[in-house]
Amino acid sequence: GEDVEQSLFLSVREGDSSVINCTYTDSSSTYLYWYKQEPGAGLQLLTYIFSNMDMKQDQRLTVLLNKKDKHLSLRIADTQTGDSAIYFCAETFSYNTDKLIFGTGTRLQVFP
Amino acid sequence: DGGITQSPKYLFRKEGQNVTLSCEQNLNHDAMYWYRQDPGQGLRLIYYSQIVNDFQKGDIAEGYSVSREKKESFPLTVTSAQKNPTAFYLCASSSNRVDTEAFFGQGTRLTVV
Repeated sequence: GEDVEQSLFLSVREGDSSVINCTYTDSSSTYLYWYKQEPGAGLQLLTYIFSNMDMKQDQRLTVLLNKKDKHLSLRIADTQTGDSAIYFCAETFSYNTDKLIFGTGTRLQVFP
Repeated sequence: DGGITQSPKYLFRKEGQNVTLSCEQNLNHDAMYWYRQDPGQGLRLIYYSQIVNDFQKGDIAEGYSVSREKKESFPLTVTSAQKNPTAFYLCASSSNRVDTEAFFGQGTRLTVV
């Protein structure tokens, strides 16, 4: 199946690191994405990783991919209140590049 | 500036009425998609289109219809057959290359009363 799961909530203190986790079931994924959705807004692509990579770093964002365990994570360093949003992981597949399969979304709440 | 535009941002309709959500893109993308978002659930694919005059059902197409008469436009009609139409709807577009991102509109929140 093409299930993608995330924990629903994460609460962190401003300045700490946040780690948002995602697990998926289909090992045929090609690209894995992290999207951010702020209240009342559409989705914004944060970063993505090709499935043959283990890690990708982009400023405060670090993506880790463990293909063996089918586990993807997004680490946000020095989390700010402006990072409060819902974060979705998503994947596309080698056998069907037509659509993105999204996770359930993780609501990140950053408090002072 | 290139982008993808959904309208309106908020939409209210009475139960039993059909309603059409607009999605326009000027990115010259071949592929366009409609997703539905409900609280506590992931985004679910309703319909997608890879090319003009062609579209495919997604995972939850029942009660919805689409058309793709022009490359830049992919309107979604929520029909009276959709049992639970109140939701947040997101439109997206992409080129058909696997390594390119999808661009999303700002979404339309549909409330049926």
